[in-house]
Amino acid sequence: QKEVEQDPGPLSVPEGAIVSLNCTYSNSAFQYFMWYRQYSRKGPELLMYTYSSGNKEDGRFTAQVDKSSKYISLFIRDSQPSDSATYLCATGNTGGFKTIFGAGTRLFVKA
Amino acid sequence: DVKVTQSSRYLVKRTGEKVFLECVQDMDHENMFWYRQDPGLGLRLIYFSYDVKMKEKGDIPEGYSVSREKKERFSLILESASTNQTSMYLCASSFASGSYEQYFGPGTRLTVT
Repeated sequence: QKEVEQDPGPLSVPEGAIVSLNCTYSNSAFQYFMWYRQYSRKGPELLMYTYSSGNKEDGRFTAQVDKSSKYISLFIRDSQPSDSATYLCATGNTGGFKTIFGAGTRLFVKA
Repeated sequence: DVKVTQSSRYLVKRTGEKVFLECVQDMDHENMFWYRQDPGLGLRLIYFSYDVKMKEKGDIPEGYSVSREKKERFSLILESASTNQTSMYLCASSFASGSYEQYFGPGTRLTVT
């Protein structure tokens, strides 16, 4: 079993839709949770991170963590074609050296 | 802005060749990382370094070695390239221990024929 499971998609939605991206993880010791966005032919860039269960909002993006069920979500409101990218969830222990990445979900937002 | 640069965007090498991938960061970060990214497998850590001349194995170090002689530069070496090392290689850096945000370079697409 992979430590972090993520549906690879692709996920195709119309512009303006609400997008829900999800991951599950297996190690209850993981303490920090992140979402990276990767555009085609680019390296990943950090989108959001959180340490705790609950919601964290940043503009159109909301990250949600449920530690009891080991579930990580990213919601994108009013999705735009510029949101088309691969989204990777990531998690790990303290120290920041061994971050575990999901395989990534490819998102297409159609104009 | 943090900038992480990688020496090549695309490389084609033959089986058995020694391959060097170079990474440079310009923000005085303590930590540097090498990952490979494959479809369906995501990012897998090959090696990381938390200081000059210090290195630690990641999850898939076999067939690879690294060198960090200067703080800003981290090299990945494929001693004898094989076709199963065809992949996208990503370098990253982070500020220090406990810093979770990693800054990635654009990647090197390596093909071994």
